[in-house]
Amino acid sequence: DVKVTQSSRYLVKRTGEKVFLECVQDMDHENMFWYRQDPGLGLRLIYFSYDVKMKEKGDIPEGYSVSREKKERFSLILESASTNQTSMYLCASSLFGGGNIQYFGAGTRLSVL
Amino acid sequence: AQRVTQPEKLLSVFKGAPVELKCNYSYSGSPELFWYVQYSRQRLQLLLRHISRESIKGFTADLNKGETSFHLKKPFAQEEDSAMYYCALSSAGNNRKLIWGLGTSLAVNP
Repeated sequence: DVKVTQSSRYLVKRTGEKVFLECVQDMDHENMFWYRQDPGLGLRLIYFSYDVKMKEKGDIPEGYSVSREKKERFSLILESASTNQTSMYLCASSLFGGGNIQYFGAGTRLSVL
Repeated sequence: AQRVTQPEKLLSVFKGAPVELKCNYSYSGSPELFWYVQYSRQRLQLLLRHISRESIKGFTADLNKGETSFHLKKPFAQEEDSAMYYCALSSAGNNRKLIWGLGTSLAVNP
């Protein structure tokens, strides 16, 4: 079974703090994704990565950056957290040539106060 | 432009009633369509994909290229079907991103 693990289930941060959300997958998947999930807005892609050190912007990259130094780990960074970044963050991975099936982590609910 | 439309934010049915969650897409080419489901307090997971043409948990979905639809159907809804359902699209061979609908919350009442 594919396992995608997000380091925190709940996180509370202050405005202006630098925030790191970590995601690890154990199935050697090439592709990894970060989404925001907000009521009424569905899943919005923030960034994705198709290889180590490779990244592409998604639909809402502003205010975020990512890092992928190892194949299994994909980090989402909020350089200076703001209240409008309060959300549920989902990480996903998929195998290149695996039929585009994405496997999701349990999510990190981030509150920025 | 590629787009997925789920016209209903919320769908409420009674147990045992048929259910249909609508999904329409916009794409010029050969798309791959998926349904993902998120049960309460669980992670988002694949329910089914059109290529597989299989029934999962009693749900089926047929790709209708003429109507550009991929509606999800179940003849007799169960309470445990209550969840958020997302329709998603990828271009055939894209192997990376999915285009997501906004989701439909299904409530099956006893």
